[in-house]
Amino acid sequence: GAGVSQTPSNKVTEKGKYVELRCDPISGHTALYWYRQSLGQGPEFLIYFQGTGAADDSGLPNDRFFAVRPEGSVSTLKIQRTERGDSAVYLCASSLTWGNEQFFGPGTRLTVL
Amino acid sequence: AQRVTQPEKLLSVFKGAPVELKCNYSYSGSPELFWYVQYSRQRLQLLLRHISRESIKGFTADLNKGETSFHLKKPFAQEEDSAMYYCALRGDQAGTALIFGKGTTLSVSS
Repeated sequence: GAGVSQTPSNKVTEKGKYVELRCDPISGHTALYWYRQSLGQGPEFLIYFQGTGAADDSGLPNDRFFAVRPEGSVSTLKIQRTERGDSAVYLCASSLTWGNEQFFGPGTRLTVL
Repeated sequence: AQRVTQPEKLLSVFKGAPVELKCNYSYSGSPELFWYVQYSRQRLQLLLRHISRESIKGFTADLNKGETSFHLKKPFAQEEDSAMYYCALRGDQAGTALIFGKGTTLSVSS
């Protein structure tokens, strides 16, 4: 079956612009996670959804970052007033529920010029 | 503080040699430990988790709570094992997320 998909695969934007990154989880997976991976680092947790609600958003670095999952399936990570330091690969993962194996998407590479 | 440390950025071995990828963690409770692997141009995927106590692709990892380590081992490396390996920890409270180490690149040459 289809795995986790993320769009776009690459996004280049200018400093100060707004971006949206999309994640389509595996069908039926209630848990969804966003991670950020900077060059030379491991994935760093951003936010976790159980169903439609953000169960843990403690990893969001500041209020420029926001994520939604309105129908408990697709999620969108939104970044306002992008900064060069936001450049990274943004990974999405889903699992049947919390505690089950997380399946990762291919990531979106964000470059802020 | 919760932390995962992978001291080696790069590990280069010859085909057929034993491999040990080191992972140490810091956590006050009873964490769950994982190894994830990312092959070239592929997505991150789970290799093994300590609670299943399996051998996957010839790799094993034993959780040593006394030394707070979860080293990944394989007795005879193969060229297809070349990849990036990440050790990860998940806390014992429901809803906690994975904490990853910085990763170790394993390069197996003939």
